[in-house]
Amino acid sequence: DIVMTQSPDSLAVSLGERATINCKSSQSVLYSSNNKNYLAWYQQKAGQPPQLLIYWASTREFGVPDRFSGSGSGTDFTLTISSLQAEDVAVYYCQQYYSDFRTFGQGTKVEIK
Amino acid sequence: QVQLVQSGAEVKKPGASVKVSCKTSGYTFTSHGISWVRQAPGQGLEWMGWISGFNGDTRYAQKFQDRVTLTTDTSTATVNMELRSLRSDDTAVYYCARDAFYIDYFGQGTLVTVSS
Repeated sequence: DIVMTQSPDSLAVSLGERATINCKSSQSVLYSSNNKNYLAWYQQKAGQPPQLLIYWASTREFGVPDRFSGSGSGTDFTLTISSLQAEDVAVYYCQQYYSDFRTFGQGTKVEIK
Repeated sequence: QVQLVQSGAEVKKPGASVKVSCKTSGYTFTSHGISWVRQAPGQGLEWMGWISGFNGDTRYAQKFQDRVTLTTDTSTATVNMELRSLRSDDTAVYYCARDAFYIDYFGQGTLVTVSS
C-alpha cells in the first residue's frame, strides 16, 4: 500500500495568516502517461462528512474559495490556506488515488491561534 | 444534484454482521464507482474498499479483505456494504463516497456501534 504521511499533525494559525500542510507519499503518485498527480485534499469539519477541496494535486473543486491551493508533484505535496478564516477550522486529509487501493494521510487539525 | 443517502444507525453485538446501504441519485450510476471509508471515534479516515458501478468489480483493503463484501443493485442505484465478525473496534461512522478517480461526494455517514 502507498503510505501517506502528513505534517504537522496540528497547527494553530492567526486569522488572516497562512497555513501550510504537507503530505508525503511512500511512492510517486505521478502517472507518467498523462503527467497527472493522483492526489486529493479533503476538509472535514466537526460532525460532518469530508468535502473535496483539491484534486489532481492542484485543481480546486468548484465552489472552493481561492485562498485554498494545492501544489507539489511526485511524492511531496502541500495544501496552503493563504489567509485563514474562522470557517477553515477543520481537519484536512490528503489521499492518493494512484493505486486501486486508496489511502489517506492521518489528518492535520487546523485551529485558530 | 448528486446525492448519496445511507441507511440509519446500527447497534450490533460482537461477532454479528452489519449491512449498510447507500442509495445514489443525480448521476449515471454506471459511470462511477463507490468507495467505503470509515472513521472511528476521534480518528482519521480509513479506506475499506471500492466497487464499480459499471460491472460490480471490487477492490478491498487487505485489512478488510476477509470480512467485507460490497454489492450493487443497478436497478435502484444502490450499493451495499456488509461487514462480518464485528468487533468493538469496528465501532465507527461508515461513509459511502462516489469515486471515479478522486472521491467527490460523500454520503451522510452511518454510525455502527458494536457493543455487548
